[in-house]
Order: sequence, then structure tokens, then C-alpha cells
Amino acid sequence: GAGVSQSPRYKVTKRGQDVTLRCDPISSHATLYWYQQALGQGPEFLTYFNYEAQPDKSGLPSDRFSAERPEGSISTLTIQRTEQRDSAMYRCASSPSGSHTDTQYFGPGTRLTVL
Amino acid sequence: AQSVTQLGSHVSVSEGALVLLRCNYSSSVPPYLFWYVQYPNQGLQLLLKYTTGATLVKGINGFEAEFKKSETSFHLTKPSAHMSDAAEYFCAVIPYNQGGKLIFGQGTELSVKP
Repeated sequence: GAGVSQSPRYKVTKRGQDVTLRCDPISSHATLYWYQQALGQGPEFLTYFNYEAQPDKSGLPSDRFSAERPEGSISTLTIQRTEQRDSAMYRCASSPSGSHTDTQYFGPGTRLTVL
Repeated sequence: AQSVTQLGSHVSVSEGALVLLRCNYSSSVPPYLFWYVQYPNQGLQLLLKYTTGATLVKGINGFEAEFKKSETSFHLTKPSAHMSDAAEYFCAVIPYNQGGKLIFGQGTELSVKP
């Protein structure tokens, strides 16, 4: 596609519910990143994929958070049993090869509010 | 652990004035350095990056940044602010030899007064 897209753009859910966020990267890009951005803060790394492989999950806050990219393109981030502290902007980015010098192209983000 | 500090969560300048947004990183080994900009309701967009070579890096929209190893800094400047520069700016690093994950500062919101 022309750019990175994310859906939904806004999600409001009740505490305890599960949510799934979707990221559609630039079609030729091998690497996909997920970041969490709390209000007033910079984005924080959650996890990333090289094609289907997920080499680094170190940023996932707890085992309630999981991500997958089964066919090496679209990725989903699932939060189980949501808590109010999960309220944040979730950002997805993709890059051509995952090299340190690659530009990461960001989507518009999904704003998650947990009531 | 690597960290990025942006001095000033909010900077206000007059149109036509110099823009200076400060960024310092903590690392004995210079990382790769980036500035991103976020306009309202849009995703983060790369302004410029330093990987190797010339320490003065020019980016889009007239912005530039200089990598100063001795000061562990990568400050962003623009000689003359425009109203359209009003946005939030994030400094970020990728630590050497730690994959491609970006570590961001907390951001600086730039306001431009007419």
C-alpha cells in the first residue's frame, strides 16, 4: 500500500475486555514494529517482526499482550483482560529491512481508551 | 540503559525566529540518531537522521541537526520558524548493535506565534 495503515483509529473498551489492533504495513517492507505511547510521553518499543519471525518481545508489558504476523504482512496486537493503565496510543511502523539505518514509516496510530 | 532527554516539553517561538530543540542521549558508544515530527492526527514522520559521515545533517522543511559526540547531543535547528512548523518533535536513538528498535525522548511541542 501507499503507507502504513492501522485500524481501528479509536477504540473504547471496558476493563476486562480483550481488544485486537491491526497494522497493515507498506507492502514491500520486511520489518514491522509496535510501540506504545502514553499521553505526554514518547513512544516505547513493544515488539517487532522480521517477516513472520518475532525476534524481540522484550517491550511487551505483561503476558496479557501478544502480537502476531502469520503471513509476514499484516500484524495484530492483542491485549487480553484490558486494564485502565493500557490506555494509550498504539503505533505501528514498518521498514524495508530492519537495518539500523532504515527509516521507520509510522501509521496514524490507534487510540485505546479503557474505561 | 540507553535514554534520550529532550530539554523543554514546550517551546514557543515567533514566526521568523530561530528554532532550537535540544536532545541529549546517554551512551558511551554513539547511537544512530533521529528526529521525528508529529502533526495533529497524523503519524510520526522522519525529519532527518544521522548514521555515519558528516555530523551536520539536513532534513526536510529546512531543519538540520548536528551530532556532537563530545556533548552527546543532537540538537534540531531551523533558522526561521514558519506557522506550519507547529507540531510535536521527538528525538530518538537506535543503540549500536541492538536491532532496529527506536528509543524516544518524551517530545517537545513547538508553538509558533504570528
